[in-house]
Amino acid sequence: AQSVTQLDSQVPVFEEAPVELRCNYSSSVSVYLFWYVQYPNQGLQLLLKYLSGSTLVESINGFEAEFNKSQTSFHLRKPSVHISDTAEYFCAVSGGLGGKLIFGQGTELSVKP
Amino acid sequence: NAGVTQTPKFRVLKTGQSMTLLCAQDMNHEYMYWYRQDPGMGLRLIHYSVGEGTTAKGEVPDGYNVSRLKKQNFLLGLESAAPSQTSVYFCASSYPGQLMNTEAFFGQGTRLTVV
Repeated sequence: AQSVTQLDSQVPVFEEAPVELRCNYSSSVSVYLFWYVQYPNQGLQLLLKYLSGSTLVESINGFEAEFNKSQTSFHLRKPSVHISDTAEYFCAVSGGLGGKLIFGQGTELSVKP
Repeated sequence: NAGVTQTPKFRVLKTGQSMTLLCAQDMNHEYMYWYRQDPGMGLRLIHYSVGEGTTAKGEVPDGYNVSRLKKQNFLLGLESAAPSQTSVYFCASSYPGQLMNTEAFFGQGTRLTVV
């Protein structure tokens, strides 16, 4: 069985500061890892994903995450945040092809001017 | 291309009433999921389906039933609503058969209040 722990429920940060949202997972099989973003009153959108290959994956809006198998982590980072990045971020894991998607508890990122 | 569509978007039920939430996807996805989202608890999987005619229990299945009679539709039923089922419900679909398309696509959610 897989599980996901997001270590911070809320992360307040000032605009243009760097941010890291932490995610740890546990699984007995190979995993696929995802970060989803949810803007207020909306559904979830895929931000980035790790399936295989390079352990560093990037999104189109400047976020990146690194798959660390030894640490069982998939932390999300951005070197300089914008007000528009304010949202809730969810880390998720699936047990490879055919595995169901399990989410963490979410991290609320609040970017202040 | 509508993606994943949930109906209704909002609903208020009285305790003991029943209702069905409908999820429809037009991407020919094999997998479909129902999640509930509650503050501080993330998204918890209620039930899921790996194909037409099949369903399976997730983390929090009690009080819910599902059906997948057609590949494009996944129905979530509440037989006797309870205040503890007040939540935002999300449907999602995915196509795990292709590595690069294994992400899940979500509907906009159904906000359900049970009074």
